[in-house]
Amino acid sequence: SQQGEEDPQALSIQEGENATMNCSYKTSINNLQWYRQNSGRGLVHLILIRSNEREKHSGRLRVTLDTSKKSSSLLITASRAADTASYFCATDRRGSNYKLTFGKGTLLTVNP
Amino acid sequence: EPEVTQTPSHQVTQMGQEVILRCVPISNHLYFYWYRQILGQKVEFLVSFYNNEISEKSEIFDDQFSVERPDGSNFTLKIRSTKLEDSAMYFCASSVERVGETQYFGPGTRLLVL
Repeated sequence: SQQGEEDPQALSIQEGENATMNCSYKTSINNLQWYRQNSGRGLVHLILIRSNEREKHSGRLRVTLDTSKKSSSLLITASRAADTASYFCATDRRGSNYKLTFGKGTLLTVNP
Repeated sequence: EPEVTQTPSHQVTQMGQEVILRCVPISNHLYFYWYRQILGQKVEFLVSFYNNEISEKSEIFDDQFSVERPDGSNFTLKIRSTKLEDSAMYFCASSVERVGETQYFGPGTRLLVL
């Protein structure tokens, strides 16, 4: 089964708009993390939300987690051209205490 | 701010050659990981390492792969006999604790096997 599937696969918006990306997963998790990757570069950690949390904020980022639906969303408000990147969710699955399982990611393009 | 570093940033090798990818995790972190990302695909877990031994490994991490913490700061991934399909970006990560903690990733080593 696929764990950590993001949608949409690609999103193109104008600067100043909000961007919402979703992630679904199939098994119970300990926590869910969102990462960002600029083209061909490393993974930058954005935010971690634990399974007993429902919402978390960090600057312009807002993450929600619905464990009953096994889904999470990442909202970037007032987007900037510099937010252009791929965004991945990664789950830390219950019973597997070490590894993160990544989705395929959403490619966000913010047009100036 | 402390960060994970990796060397080299790029490596080109011939099929069948051995490569060693190096990582320096964040200094107070206890858990270390290797992941890889084949171009256009998901980031995949390879192995985790704690207390000088492998904690968990994926089916990708076969006998051609090995990891080592040769001293107090470096963490290495060795591929004994590289194959074309080993071409990928390899990421090292580290975390303070195991469960429920952020894994911090390095910038990656892009490996190209010819």
